[in-house]
Amino acid sequence: AQSVTQLDSHVSVSEGTPVLLRCNYSSSYSPSLFWYVQHPNKGLQLLLKYTSAATLVKGINGFEAEFKKSETSFHLTKPSAHMSDAAEYFCVVTLSGGYQKVTFGTGTKLQVIP
Amino acid sequence: ETGVTQTPRHLVMGMTNKKSLKCEQHLGHNAMYWYKQSAKKPLELMFVYSLEERVENNSVPSRFSPECPNSSHLFLHLHTLQPEDSALYLCASSQDVKKAYEQYFGPGTRLTVT
Repeated sequence: AQSVTQLDSHVSVSEGTPVLLRCNYSSSYSPSLFWYVQHPNKGLQLLLKYTSAATLVKGINGFEAEFKKSETSFHLTKPSAHMSDAAEYFCVVTLSGGYQKVTFGTGTKLQVIP
Repeated sequence: ETGVTQTPRHLVMGMTNKKSLKCEQHLGHNAMYWYKQSAKKPLELMFVYSLEERVENNSVPSRFSPECPNSSHLFLHLHTLQPEDSALYLCASSQDVKKAYEQYFGPGTRLTVT
């Protein structure tokens, strides 16, 4: 079985400051991990994915995430927040490609203050 | 904007009404999904279709009835809903069910049951 925990339901940052959205996972085997972003009134969009290649993964819009097996974490970061980054972010874990094993986190709402 | 469209974007219906949600994907994918997104809860997978065949019915009440006439279209027929069914209903597609980790989402239908 696997699970994913997003440690913060809300994160607020000032524009131009770093963003850190935390995600911890639990998995019996080596997982694949993903971050999705959902802007207001929009569907979810794949931001980046880790599938056992490089542990530091770069995504769209300047986001990146680092897979740390020892810490069972896959935190999402960005050096400098933009107003357009305000959205909800979902961490997702899967053991394989099958739909049965795709688990979504509860989401973190990112607020960017001008 | 994604290659997955959903109509209507907003729907208000009474508990005795019958309505349908429509999803269309223009990506040539073979798998389609219905999700329910409620506030402060993880995304709930409702149904999965692979090549027009239903492969998952995740303990969803019978007042929700899916239909997949072809691999590009997916419907969710609604009847005698309850107020707790009010939520954002998201449709998604993936290349096939084995690649469910990379799903493309529509913008959702915001459903309010009165």
